[in-house]
Amino acid sequence: DADVTQTPRNRITKTGKRIMLECSQTKGHDRMYWYRQDPGLGLRLIYYSFDVKDINKGEISDGYSVSRQAQAKFSLSLESAIPNQTALYFCATGMQGATDTQYFGPGTRLTVL
Amino acid sequence: GENVEQHPSTLSVQEGDSAVIKCTYSDSASNYFPWYKQELGKRPQLIIDIRSNVGEKKDQRIAVTLNKTAKHFSLHITETQPEDSAVYFCAALPGGGSYIPTFGRGTSLIVHP
Repeated sequence: DADVTQTPRNRITKTGKRIMLECSQTKGHDRMYWYRQDPGLGLRLIYYSFDVKDINKGEISDGYSVSRQAQAKFSLSLESAIPNQTALYFCATGMQGATDTQYFGPGTRLTVL
Repeated sequence: GENVEQHPSTLSVQEGDSAVIKCTYSDSASNYFPWYKQELGKRPQLIIDIRSNVGEKKDQRIAVTLNKTAKHFSLHITETQPEDSAVYFCAALPGGGSYIPTFGRGTSLIVHP
C-alpha cells in the first residue's frame, strides 16, 4: 500500500549504534503501530499509538522507543542496537471507527552486526 | 491476554488442490478475525476477514469459517495456483475498541505447479 511508507528500506549497522526507523502515512489514519517480524515468530507488536499524545508499549518494547511527531509520522528508535534486534520491521496504520483492518508499510530490513 | 495458535507452519500442495489453515484463539471476547497474505519480500496485506456475528465468508477462491463455541477459525483456499504461494497470518482482535491484534505465527503455503 503506497500510502504507508518506511525509511530506510534496508539498513546495516553496528552494535551500540543508535538507529531511527521512520514511518509516514497519507491515509489520514489515527492509529499507528510498529511490528517486528522474525522467521517462525510472526508479527510481534513493539509500540502503538492511537493519536499524537498517546504512546503504548506492546509485547516486546524493551530496547526500543518511539515518537509520534504528527498524526502522519511515527518513528521507532533503537538507542543502542544489538545483534538480536536484526529483523524485518513493519509500520502499520488503522482507523478508529472504521474497519479494524491494518495497513502495512513495505518494511525495513535491519541488520545489526 | 489473547493467544492465537496457527497450524500448520508449512503447507505444501499441488496446483489445483485445496488448502486449509487453522487458527485457535483464547479470548472469547475477540470479535474480529482477519487473514493477511505476505508474498516473499512484500508487506502483509488483508485478503479476507470475518466478524463474530458471521459463521462463514467467501470471496472467490478463498473463504473463512468461524466457530465461536470452539474458538477457532480457518482459511480455505480452493483450486490453488502458484501465485497463492505466500505466508498467511491469522489474527484476532478483542472487542471493546482495543484495536490491538494478536497474530498467529504464520503458515508458509507452497503451491507446486
